[in-house]
Amino acid sequence: KNEVEQSPQNLTAQEGEFITINCSYSVGISALHWLQQHPGGGIVSLFMLSSGKKKHGRLIATINIQEKHSSLHITASHPRDSAVYICAPSKGGAQKLVFGQGTRLTINP
Amino acid sequence: NAGVTQTPKFQVLKTGQSMTLQCAQDMNHNSMYWYRQDPGMGLRLIYYSASEGTTDKGEVPNGYNVSRLNKREFSLRLESAAPSQTSVYFCASSGLASAYEQYFGPGTRLTVT
Repeated sequence: KNEVEQSPQNLTAQEGEFITINCSYSVGISALHWLQQHPGGGIVSLFMLSSGKKKHGRLIATINIQEKHSSLHITASHPRDSAVYICAPSKGGAQKLVFGQGTRLTINP
Repeated sequence: NAGVTQTPKFQVLKTGQSMTLQCAQDMNHNSMYWYRQDPGMGLRLIYYSASEGTTDKGEVPNGYNVSRLNKREFSLRLESAAPSQTSVYFCASSGLASAYEQYFGPGTRLTVT
């Protein structure tokens, strides 16, 4: 069983829809990262959180440490949000990441 | 401020050849990482360096060596390339000033024939 499970693996939605991507993990962690990988391949860090909730613009990330679960929400989705979103819990002081398989999101205009 | 830079962007090697992938960051980060990304496998940690002068193995270190040349630079060497090392390689860095978020380089696409 993978240490990190993301769902769904693929998601297609219409512009403006509310998007939720889920991440469950089995390892003990010090924090959890959400990353975005653009179609061109570049990887950008969206959030790092160890408790509660964080918000950047239309993106919201939440984490429940007890339940070992995190969610990434996108409000008012836009075609430019189309990308692969990767959940990555980190272990230890050196922030070693364990990666989920990613969720491929496509937002149609 | 260039962030994390990697060279080369693309490379084709024959089986048995050696090469070094270079990575540099200008954010004064203590920690640096090398990952590989394969289709269907997600990203996997090869080696990391928590601070200048230290390196440690990650999940898939076999066939690779690393050098933390100084605080800025962290190189990855393939001594004898194998087709199984065909992948996209990403370098990343993180530090206290960035609240430990990881900043990724643009990647190196390596093909071993």
